[in-house]
Amino acid sequence: NAGVTQTPKFRVLKTGQSMTLLCAQDMNHEYMYWYRQDPGMGLRLIHYSVGEGTTAKGEVPDGYNVSRLKKQNFLLGLESAAPSQTSVYFCASTPRGAFGYTFGSGTRLTVV
Amino acid sequence: RKEVEQDPGPFNVPEGATVAFNCTYSNSASQSFFWYRQDCRKEPKLLMSVYSSGNEDGRFTAQLNRASQYISLLIRDSKLSDSATYLCVVSSSGNTPLVFGKGTRLSVIA
Repeated sequence: NAGVTQTPKFRVLKTGQSMTLLCAQDMNHEYMYWYRQDPGMGLRLIHYSVGEGTTAKGEVPDGYNVSRLKKQNFLLGLESAAPSQTSVYFCASTPRGAFGYTFGSGTRLTVV
Repeated sequence: RKEVEQDPGPFNVPEGATVAFNCTYSNSASQSFFWYRQDCRKEPKLLMSVYSSGNEDGRFTAQLNRASQYISLLIRDSKLSDSATYLCVVSSSGNTPLVFGKGTRLSVIA
């Protein structure tokens, strides 16, 4: 099993550009999450989804949008990238009612 | 006040030492508690859950004190391979996303 796969692994964007980060899981998990991790800040929740077609805001949602059109995929969009969005982005998934998050290997994004 | 607080370290200890990490949480409604391990430039991975009665997994022992809202992780006989950042993680219910502490960095030295 691939588990949770994030693409791309690395990306450099110019300020104002847009992009979409893809998270795909093959474990039939209901819940999916997007976190960002910055030095000294720990993991902070951006958005999450408790099922296909549903999304909710986390701690730091501004500047991001998400979609969960298919159960296995959770997309994170940056409409107009800013240097403050330079970070490592982690996607995670878990079955309903369980807590063992499976994380993807992360996307390292730099906005210049 | 941050919901989950940890001493950032770093903790530099020799091989074979015993090291303890502490964590406090602010939400008294929290019901589930975990320790995750994160290696440098890697994703976090679940190390162990923390139960009210305390639990042990090999060289690792986790304790929970609900009255003080305090969680601990004890590592005995430290190995070089234990070098990593240890994240204290809390959730208030099964449907609530996990809240991560900033982590405590451990370096085990030969």
